[in-house]
Amino acid sequence: QSALTQPPSASGSPGQSVTISCTGTSSDVGGYNYVSWYQQHPGKAPKLLIYEVSKRPSGVPDRFSGSKSGNTASLTVSGLQAEDEAGYYCSSYGGSNNVLFGGGTMLTVL
Amino acid sequence: QLQLQESGPGLVKPSETLSLTCTGSGGSISSDYYYLGWIRQPPGKGLEWIGSIYYSGTTHYNPSLKSRVTMSVDTSKNQFSLKVRSVTAADTAVYYCAKGKDILTGYYQWGQGALVTVSS
Repeated sequence: QSALTQPPSASGSPGQSVTISCTGTSSDVGGYNYVSWYQQHPGKAPKLLIYEVSKRPSGVPDRFSGSKSGNTASLTVSGLQAEDEAGYYCSSYGGSNNVLFGGGTMLTVL
Repeated sequence: QLQLQESGPGLVKPSETLSLTCTGSGGSISSDYYYLGWIRQPPGKGLEWIGSIYYSGTTHYNPSLKSRVTMSVDTSKNQFSLKVRSVTAADTAVYYCAKGKDILTGYYQWGQGALVTVSS
């Protein structure tokens, strides 16, 4: 199975909202409600932001939200802040006990 | 709070075996029906799931790596390990260990990562 498809870059000004897409197939993103999103600052380990499409772990601000339509999942960052500048990765259960990651999207806060 | 730390050789020769250990501190890696995994990231590239091991001992591996990968857990030492056989330069990456609840809901605790370079 191929990696999930994400745009390589996204950008927005402070206070704005940005949405990052993650496209898979009916065998992964579209077939299960098990999409996760991670934030990764340069040189740091990833941090879980969203799981099961739209659930937030304790401590993750509600500025981060997730959704899914068909084979595409989305992460929306509202009220952009400077510290949101980071890489964002989606992940999906791919069936048959397999996990897929997206190629990652670098978010720039202008 | 549980913290994870990867350790192992930073340089491995081609065709040899890459071995890494993840040690937990400040808590038990085997609490809460654990699901322990390894994820890697080649320099400047995206994340790749290597696989995971359940508290039951069941392992799940990335199909593209399955023939070369072995994972195990030593709860007495609060450690779990990764072995990748017959490595090539394509296995050069930062290797992360991580903990989650299951294969479906992501990894909520990560180590800081360890760079492993495959070179002669």
